[in-house]
Amino acid sequence: DTAVSQTPKYLVTQMGNDKSIKCEQNLGHDTMYWYKQDSKKFLKIMFSYNNKELIINETVPNRFSPKSPDKAHLNLHINSLELGDSAVYFCASSQDFGTHSYNEQFFGPGTRLTVL
Amino acid sequence: QQQVKQSPQSLIVQKGGISIINCAYENTAFDYFPWYQQFPGKGPALLIAIRPDVSEKKEGRFTISFNKSAKQFSLHIMDSQPGDSATYFCAAYHSGGYQKVTFGIGTKLQVIP
Repeated sequence: DTAVSQTPKYLVTQMGNDKSIKCEQNLGHDTMYWYKQDSKKFLKIMFSYNNKELIINETVPNRFSPKSPDKAHLNLHINSLELGDSAVYFCASSQDFGTHSYNEQFFGPGTRLTVL
Repeated sequence: QQQVKQSPQSLIVQKGGISIINCAYENTAFDYFPWYQQFPGKGPALLIAIRPDVSEKKEGRFTISFNKSAKQFSLHIMDSQPGDSATYFCAAYHSGGYQKVTFGIGTKLQVIP
């Protein structure tokens, strides 16, 4: 069973299009995240949701809009795609938000987005 | 501003050798330091982690050394194997940070036979 799954795995699209990436976790975790990994492998957090509530929003253009229909899902919608959006996007989840102790983040397999 | 600085960015080690990756941090509020391992085409996965009240933690061939006064920590991979070839990320976290983890830039390790 896949703990954190993402679809699609690959996404190739034209500049200006709108696209979505879906994420689901079956770990029963309370917190989910979106990370962007650029071509140099740098991994940077974009958003974090806890029980469907936005907790972290890291200076991400408002073309990016996360949506959490329930605590097991966190989707990422991107409007008006730009060349610089090309990257690998990782979804992750962790348990027990707010316990003031680190909880392991479990990452999905990633979605490679290529904007032409 | 890169809050966690990691070096080297790439590393080639002979099989059986010791791989060493170094990280330094600036924010003294960080109180947990995990290392993640990422294989090509996969998401990062937690490898080993340490709290700043401990100077060393060992799990199998992997050891974290931590120097709180210098605000530095490092990952040592003993008896490196080709299967260890991956990208390694050091990271830092502080409680009260809403589970936000700051990652280093990553080190691509290649272990050659």
